[in-house]
Amino acid sequence: GQQLNQSPQSMFIQEGEDVSMNCTSSSIFNTWLWYKQDPGEGPVLLIALYKAGELTSNGRLTAQFGITRKDSFLNISASIPSDVGIYFCAGPTTSGTYKYIFGTGTRLKVLA
Amino acid sequence: NAGVTQTPKFQVLKTGQSMTLQCAQDMNHNSMYWYRQDPGMGLRLIYYSASEGTTDKGEVPNGYNVSRLNKREFSLRLESAAPSQTSVYFCASSEGDASYSYEQYFGPGTRLTVT
Repeated sequence: GQQLNQSPQSMFIQEGEDVSMNCTSSSIFNTWLWYKQDPGEGPVLLIALYKAGELTSNGRLTAQFGITRKDSFLNISASIPSDVGIYFCAGPTTSGTYKYIFGTGTRLKVLA
Repeated sequence: NAGVTQTPKFQVLKTGQSMTLQCAQDMNHNSMYWYRQDPGMGLRLIYYSASEGTTDKGEVPNGYNVSRLNKREFSLRLESAAPSQTSVYFCASSEGDASYSYEQYFGPGTRLTVT
């Protein structure tokens, strides 16, 4: 079945640094979603991407839909302590638009 | 506008007990979902309801049943709880196919422990 692999699994960065993470699949995706989950909370949608090559920003966050449709990237600029959390990529599978799969997440820690 | 709400927030069950997790959304969304999240893992789809009156299995449906009570509410039932069902359960909703929007919005989760 389709799988989403996220890297890195975890990262520790200094406040103010930029962050890059990615999500890859062996299958084509038509939609990429990026979520952030704070400890003890549900995931919150950050960015949605619908077209190959699309580049979308949300404040300090920028995400790109890879040209091959098999990957997506999320960048965070000038990180701050509240960026701490787990970042997930997700998308609807080709077997059905309601069947979403999620990556295993990138755990981000920001050192002040 | 509360978004997606879930009850209870925490629950401890003994093996073999049953319970129902409740979920409601006030965004007039057509589609609703139940996921489970195990430590260090992403979310896995248990069941979904594409629209009122329909339900279908996701990736890990065994041991669960669902009811789409109306457009707002989607419940998840554990008939005979097992320790393997210890997890955090999330409900989500989305507008659905009619709007070609695949953005899902999540509730705060129910933390279930089965002893």
